[in-house]
Amino acid sequence: GAVVSQHPSWVICKSGTSVKIECRSLDFQATTMFWYRQFPKQSLMLMATSNEGSKATYEQGVEKDKFLINHASLTLSTLTVTSAHPEDSSFYICSVTPPTGVGNSPLHFGNGTRLTVT
Amino acid sequence: AQKITQTQPGMFVQEKEAVTLDCTYDTSDPSYGLFWYKQPSSGEMIFLIYQGSYDQQNATEGRYSLNFQKARKSANLVISASQLGDSAMYFCAMREGDTGRRALTFGSGTRLQVQP
Repeated sequence: GAVVSQHPSWVICKSGTSVKIECRSLDFQATTMFWYRQFPKQSLMLMATSNEGSKATYEQGVEKDKFLINHASLTLSTLTVTSAHPEDSSFYICSVTPPTGVGNSPLHFGNGTRLTVT
Repeated sequence: AQKITQTQPGMFVQEKEAVTLDCTYDTSDPSYGLFWYKQPSSGEMIFLIYQGSYDQQNATEGRYSLNFQKARKSANLVISASQLGDSAMYFCAMREGDTGRRALTFGSGTRLQVQP
């Protein structure tokens, strides 16, 4: 069964509005979650690391004020794209790692959210 | 600098044949892990196989095997007896260090098309 639930699977919004994407860890408590972005026909690029109970760590070039991450519980992280613009249209996918995971632990991914900003 | 390099944007293979997808990596960390994921058109990321830097033997998982050549820093994925359902994007990824709480760095991917 699914380890990670991501919602919504797709969303269309108007330019200037905000969109919230939820990522839930179903099988274990995840103190760390990762958010990736994937443009069409490209690879997954890490956006940020979401840490339960503390601020997210953003990758270079990712605007923290635009991509708000909240990891308020051990099973839920949310990504809010604020004031979305057409260039934010992309596939956003979250992943979780078991809290006791060692180096050989694979990341478990949600099914992703396809965001289209019109 | 690219940490994971996949030089084959696309590959074709006949059904029931074997295919090798290339992956080279770059790291100075003696402890690292290499992962392969499959991404069908639906977008989900499916974990296929893992190889640790200290593993002495090549990893195998069913029809998937990993040709790990540490000195060459390559970790090629071999799919045997290809099936039509194997058509997808395949990503090689690496995690440096020995904790599972680090993110993976992905290569650019290879689109595999299995032909009947």
